[in-house]
Amino acid sequence: EPEVTQTPSHQVTQMGQEVILRCVPISNHLYFYWYRQILGQKVEFLVSFYNNEISEKSEIFDDQFSVERPDGSNFTLKIRSTKLEDSAMYFCASRGLAEETQYFGPGTRLLVL
Amino acid sequence: SQKIEQNSEALNIQEGKTATLTCNYTNYSPAYLQWYRQDPGRGPVFLLLIRENEKEKRKERLKVTFDTTLKQSLFHITASQPADSATYLCALVTGNQFYFGTGTSLTVIP
Repeated sequence: EPEVTQTPSHQVTQMGQEVILRCVPISNHLYFYWYRQILGQKVEFLVSFYNNEISEKSEIFDDQFSVERPDGSNFTLKIRSTKLEDSAMYFCASRGLAEETQYFGPGTRLLVL
Repeated sequence: SQKIEQNSEALNIQEGKTATLTCNYTNYSPAYLQWYRQDPGRGPVFLLLIRENEKEKRKERLKVTFDTTLKQSLFHITASQPADSATYLCALVTGNQFYFGTGTSLTVIP
């Protein structure tokens, strides 16, 4: 069964460093999403992406965040200058054109020291 | 302000009983509502979807209701099993944004 994959599974970085989180969505899906979940808290929407551009973004998705689909398979989230409060689990999800549900990846656990 | 509330953070029930989870929302007009299961350290897994014009949906031992007047969805697991123990999330969908509740942690006791 096709699934969303994410790399790395864990990332530790120093405050102020840039990180890139990678996702490979399900191959025929057209909508892509990033979410974050701070430990013990709810899943929070960051951004949705369709047709090579951001379709919606939340207040959390400020100028330090960016997303890209550099090729036909990868979908990346870049955090330019990480802060301590960026420590969280980051989930990628994808959705097919005719589908109303999204499929989540296993997540990347980011720890900012 | 917009809010999604799920009933009591933790719910414990005996195996074989029906678990009922609640999702209440304010200041949203969702096109549809979804329920997900999340196990520790894993991503949410889709379970069921219900549209604003639907009252009830069923899938095997799962049942979801949606009352747009009360702004509430109920999620039922009948004949619960220890393997059903997990956190259950409701998500409201408007446009291309998905808003998640805080989740209810369900433990089914053998």
